Amino acid sequence: EAGVTQFPSHSVIEKGQTVTLRCDPISGHDNLYWYRRVMGKEIKFLLHFVKESKQDESGMPNNRFLAERTGGTYSTLKVQPAELEDSGVYFCASSQDEAGATNEKLFFGSGTQLSVL
Amino acid sequence: KQEVTQIPAALSVPEGENLVLNCSFTDSAIYNLQWFRQDPGKGLTSLLLIQSSQREQTSGRLNASLDKSSGRSTLYIAASQPGDSATYLCAVDDGDKIIFGKGTRLHILP
Repeated sequence: EAGVTQFPSHSVIEKGQTVTLRCDPISGHDNLYWYRRVMGKEIKFLLHFVKESKQDESGMPNNRFLAERTGGTYSTLKVQPAELEDSGVYFCASSQDEAGATNEKLFFGSGTQLSVL
Repeated sequence: KQEVTQIPAALSVPEGENLVLNCSFTDSAIYNLQWFRQDPGKGLTSLLLIQSSQREQTSGRLNASLDKSSGRSTLYIAASQPGDSATYLCAVDDGDKIIFGKGTRLHILP
C-alpha cells in the first residue's frame, strides 16, 4: 500500500513567486491535514480537509495561502506570493477517520522543503 | 489552549545505553498521544500511538507511557543504537487538532 506522497520534495523560489505543493493521501483516506514546520519551531497545524471540504482552516497564516482538494483525492497548497518567512517544511498527513477516533493514526508524507530566497 | 513541551531539547548518549525522552501537555483532555521520529531531510514516521484510556504501548525496543492526569508521557528506548539518532516528536490529539512539541534531537554516540 502506497503511503502519503508529497511533491516536490524540495522547492527553492524567490520572494514574490508562486509555489504549489501537492499531497496524495493514502487511497481511501477521507481526512487530509497540512502542517508546517518553520526552522527551529514546532510543527503547526494549517488545515484539515474531510473529503473535499475544509473542516478547519484556522491554522492558515494568511490569505497568501490557498489549499484545495478537488474531488476529495489529492490536495494542493499554493503560496502566492511567497515571502521569506514562508520557508520551512510542509507536511501532509492523512487518516481514514478523523483524528481523535479510536486507534486512528496519522500517516505523514515526507514533506516538502520550501526555501524562499 | 493545549501546549506540548518536550525535554530535553537535545540529548547525546553512548551506544547501548537506555534513555528516556519526556513530553508534557497542559490539558489532560486528550484523545491520544503519538510519538514520531523525524530523520534529517525526511518525513515523520509514527512510532507509537497511545489512546487516552491506555497507560503504555510497546514496540520492539521502544516503550511509551502515558499519565493523562499529570499531563505526561515518556518514550523509553532500550539498548540505544546509532540508527536511533533522529528528532523525536510528541503529538497530542485533542479531538480537534494535533498539537506537536518542538522535539528532542537525539544523538547516539558510536
